[in-house]
Amino acid sequence: ETGVTQTPRHLVMGMTNKKSLKCEQHLGHNAMYWYKQSAKKPLELMFVYNFKEQTENNSVPSRFSPECPNSSHLFLHLHTLQPEDSALYLCASSQDSGSYNEQFFGPGTRLTVL
Amino acid sequence: GQNIDQPTEMTATEGAIVQINCTYQTSGFNGLFWYQQHAGEAPTFLSYNVLDGLEEKGRFSSFLSRSKGYSYLLLKELQMKDSASYLCAVMDSNYQLIWGAGTKLIIKP
Repeated sequence: ETGVTQTPRHLVMGMTNKKSLKCEQHLGHNAMYWYKQSAKKPLELMFVYNFKEQTENNSVPSRFSPECPNSSHLFLHLHTLQPEDSALYLCASSQDSGSYNEQFFGPGTRLTVL
Repeated sequence: GQNIDQPTEMTATEGAIVQINCTYQTSGFNGLFWYQQHAGEAPTFLSYNVLDGLEEKGRFSSFLSRSKGYSYLLLKELQMKDSASYLCAVMDSNYQLIWGAGTKLIIKP
């Protein structure tokens, strides 16, 4: 148990569906991250929030829309995804994003787009 | 561009020692991390090196040479539970983590 939870753990959706991934951290951290993990590829950083403000958006398609209502919660809204978006989506948190800080990861949501 | 290289897969025997290498080319350097990830689980932090040399933590040690852009993770007295993927990541000048693709370690009895 890392102190970061993600729901759902598994999600299957069609290309026309709208769904949301949820992440919650119980560590009192100020930074939260969304990563995409595809088989045999490096983790891809998608979004970074620091003190609820988005500080990074690494050229992520607009069909992925993040939301950070407070420092403990992070959402990833999904709309009209493509089959190549199928992957493990990991959430992480750290004390803040501007210095060395170990990142704590959630168990991920395994997403399959049909 | 930024690049982290590590072997895709390694196999070792229970009770033995294995060394997982990582080489990197990044824009700036603010430290190197090793994470362990069991199948279907979250990556968990193993070690952090920012200065050259060896850091020992129980059965696991991590080494860094900044001049060579090189690190390794050394696992001693291997146990079956060490079967996992080991991820190398470098923190660049913007404090972003640049990740390798991971090394899948298979432990055989």
